[in-house]
Amino acid sequence: DVKVTQSSRYLVKRTGEKVFLECVQDMDHENMFWYRQDPGLGLRLIYFSYDVKMKEKGDIPEGYSVSREKKERFSLILESASTNQTSMYLCASDKGRTPRGEQFFGPGTRLTVL
Amino acid sequence: SQQGEEDPQALSIQEGENATMNCSYKTSINNLQWYRQNSGRGLVHLILIRSNEREKHSGRLRVTLDTSKKSSSLLITASRAADTASYFCATDAIKAAGNKLTFGGGTRVLVKP
Repeated sequence: DVKVTQSSRYLVKRTGEKVFLECVQDMDHENMFWYRQDPGLGLRLIYFSYDVKMKEKGDIPEGYSVSREKKERFSLILESASTNQTSMYLCASDKGRTPRGEQFFGPGTRLTVL
Repeated sequence: SQQGEEDPQALSIQEGENATMNCSYKTSINNLQWYRQNSGRGLVHLILIRSNEREKHSGRLRVTLDTSKKSSSLLITASRAADTASYFCATDAIKAAGNKLTFGGGTRVLVKP
């Protein structure tokens, strides 16, 4: 059974803390994505990666960075968390092909920044 | 504004009724996909329809695509309480930067038993 896992379901952090969100996929997918989801705004792409050590900015990269040292793992980093980064964070992966096919999502991490 | 926008934003129906939701988009696409999200969970892929297809079925799901109107509809027939979820359309736009999917805001569906 294919799977995308995220390190935490719920996370509470304080303003200014450095936050790491981890995502692991076991499908040998080339592409991995980080989205944030806010009510009424749908999913917005933060960063994505097409290969190990490669990253591309999405629509809202400000305040975030990413790391992909291994094919199966894609980390989202909040260098200095702020209250406006309180959100649901979703990781996804898909096969490396064009056009885009089905994306597989993790269960999400609900982050609260106090 | 977003590439894909769903309508209505929310829908409440009785079990056994059909549920229809629509998605409009702005630019030419390679394909359009529909996803379901149960409360507080990740998204699950339901169906993909290519730009050269007009209709596709999967179980109780029926998706149509009208590229001339840049719109798609998702019909859930004989709805069940377990269909209560949010439904999102996602477009794979031609020449999109990074060739990424763009998601709409979703339709929240409540199926009452």
